[in-house]
Amino acid sequence: AQSVTQLDSQVPVFEEAPVELRCNYSSSVSVYLFWYVQYPNQGLQLLLKYLSGSTLVKGINGFEAEFNKSQTSFHLRKPSVHISDTAEYFCAILGGYNKLIFGAGTRLAVHP
Amino acid sequence: NAGVTQTPKFRVLKTGQSMTLLCAQDMNHEYMYWYRQDPGMGLRLIHYSVGEGTTAKGEVPDGYNVSRLKKQNFLLGLESAAPSQTSVYFCASNTRGLAGSYEQYFGPGTRLTVT
Repeated sequence: AQSVTQLDSQVPVFEEAPVELRCNYSSSVSVYLFWYVQYPNQGLQLLLKYLSGSTLVKGINGFEAEFNKSQTSFHLRKPSVHISDTAEYFCAILGGYNKLIFGAGTRLAVHP
Repeated sequence: NAGVTQTPKFRVLKTGQSMTLLCAQDMNHEYMYWYRQDPGMGLRLIHYSVGEGTTAKGEVPDGYNVSRLKKQNFLLGLESAAPSQTSVYFCASNTRGLAGSYEQYFGPGTRLTVT
């Protein structure tokens, strides 16, 4: 069975500091991985995805993630965060029939 | 192009009442999904559909029914609402195969409270 674990439920950080949101996955088949962002009282928006090829994936809003097969990880990073990055971030893995299996989410709080 | 829309946006039900949530997409997607979001649990799949007239159970299907009579619509029904069904419900859709690069498109959500 496939699963996703997000290692931090909350991450507080100061504005302009770097941030890393951690995600580990479990899968016995080829993996397709995603990061989604949810701003307060909104739906989910795709940040980036890994399907194949380069293990460093760049997404929107300056975010990037690195796929590490040996460590079964797909951590999300941003070198300098803004107040507007305050949101909940979800890591997900693709299952059969394109279903998404989500982690529990990480709430990023950016403080001035 | 409206994408994925959900009706209603908010609803309060009493225990035992029934209701239907409507999801509509205008992208001609084959696959559609219903998820529920609860604090600390991420999104969990309730039911999904891989085409008109087909439905299948997801991770947490109990207490819900679905129908996909038209390709663009996916209905989620609660026959007898329970407080445990208080949640935010999201509908999503995507297209089959690499044409859509597996991205799911989400609706804005329906916030349901059962008292």
